[in-house]
Amino acid sequence: DAKTTQPPSMDCAEGRAANLPCNHSTISGNEYVYWYRQIHSQGPQYIIHGLKNNETNEMASLIITEDRKSSTLILPHATLRDTAVYYCIVRVWRAGANSKLTFGKGITLSVRP
Amino acid sequence: EAGVAQSPRYKIIEKRQSVAFWCNPISGHATLYWYQQILGQGPKLLIQFQNNGVVDDSQLPKDRFSAERLKGVDSTLKIQPAKLEDSAVYLCASSLAILGQGVYGYTFGSGTRLTVV
Repeated sequence: DAKTTQPPSMDCAEGRAANLPCNHSTISGNEYVYWYRQIHSQGPQYIIHGLKNNETNEMASLIITEDRKSSTLILPHATLRDTAVYYCIVRVWRAGANSKLTFGKGITLSVRP
Repeated sequence: EAGVAQSPRYKIIEKRQSVAFWCNPISGHATLYWYQQILGQGPKLLIQFQNNGVVDDSQLPKDRFSAERLKGVDSTLKIQPAKLEDSAVYLCASSLAILGQGVYGYTFGSGTRLTVV
């Protein structure tokens, strides 16, 4: 079973920041937080991951609370093309049988014009 | 770099027929995964290969599903016979997993949409 909980949906206005929350209260010390998104009719796409420090890349920022029990994915300037299902996943970094990604239902982000 | 290639893109079959899906991972990626995604749900892992060996097939319905990766490169997933509940998108993913280190470049293909009627 997925180790994360996300609200089922949210929306935001185009050009505004989208803040997508995720709870992972049972996360282990060696587990990372990953975010993927799935645009309609495509496979999931990697966005960002982190362990305990905040991370930023060209797509998004990831804010992880100090106790690591929750995180927020931030899309700073949402566009219509960001409309997708966003999955928050926790997983160990080390290669092996547990390197698979276990998906929940994700959160559906709708960006409105 | 080229992505994960899957074919066919769409397939419609009648129940009790058989079907096969093909996946070619990113060059150099030793780990290959097959996922099933039913409408409205997140992808569910069916099987994971490391080179040509099976690492995890605990959620593969082995009475009707089979998968192989004979040369450690491309892979085939087969369903025989198909049931109505097998209607889903079948996603292939690959990654570079370095033993004792991390998992890099976990990338998905666009999937095969199967409709069983």
